[in-house]
Amino acid sequence: GQNIDQPTEMTATEGAIVQINCTYQTSGFNGLFWYQQHAGEAPTFLSYNVLDGLEEKGRFSSFLSRSKGYSYLLLKELQMKDSASYLCAVNSGYSTLTFGKGTMLLVSP
Amino acid sequence: GAVVSQHPSWVICKSGTSVKIECRSLDFQATTMFWYRQFPKQSLMLMATSNEGSKATYEQGVEKDKFLINHASLTLSTLTVTSAHPEDSSFYICSARVGGSNTDTQYFGPGTRLTVL
Repeated sequence: GQNIDQPTEMTATEGAIVQINCTYQTSGFNGLFWYQQHAGEAPTFLSYNVLDGLEEKGRFSSFLSRSKGYSYLLLKELQMKDSASYLCAVNSGYSTLTFGKGTMLLVSP
Repeated sequence: GAVVSQHPSWVICKSGTSVKIECRSLDFQATTMFWYRQFPKQSLMLMATSNEGSKATYEQGVEKDKFLINHASLTLSTLTVTSAHPEDSSFYICSARVGGSNTDTQYFGPGTRLTVL
């Protein structure tokens, strides 16, 4: 079966750095995605990792370790608008994505 | 680029009626589209994979006769919820894959909130 775990909720302060972890056990692996989803809206693409290492894109970075079945999303210089749910999703093959339940991030002033 | 639209954005219907939701890729051709369902505070659950010109592939537990999917062109897929019941009330989201590789990114539509009375 497919299993993707991420924390349910996290809180952080504006301007700070936060790391959202994701661990996965899937029958196959063809890449890991991070999406941001604001309440009542569809997810928007943040990052994609298929090889081990860190991918940096502005304030957001994503890391992958395939041997450990582990990824994290790093958000720097947090802004209030970053308050959202962050979804970790694994492409386990044949292009279907399995999503984690999402981590609700609350950024406070 | 990579914009996906859905219509309608929300719909309220009576129990027993059918509802059609459209998903369009606006600036690219999508040979593969996906339909997801998301209940409150839950993750997205894949319902089916829609391939242009062929029958959709449904995930285990999803009734293909209840959730009819038609992918008639490279830019349009439709999901029809037949004989809707209150338990079908949910947020339905489509996505379209850019490119033809299994690793290509999926871009999501804005979602359709269905409420069945």
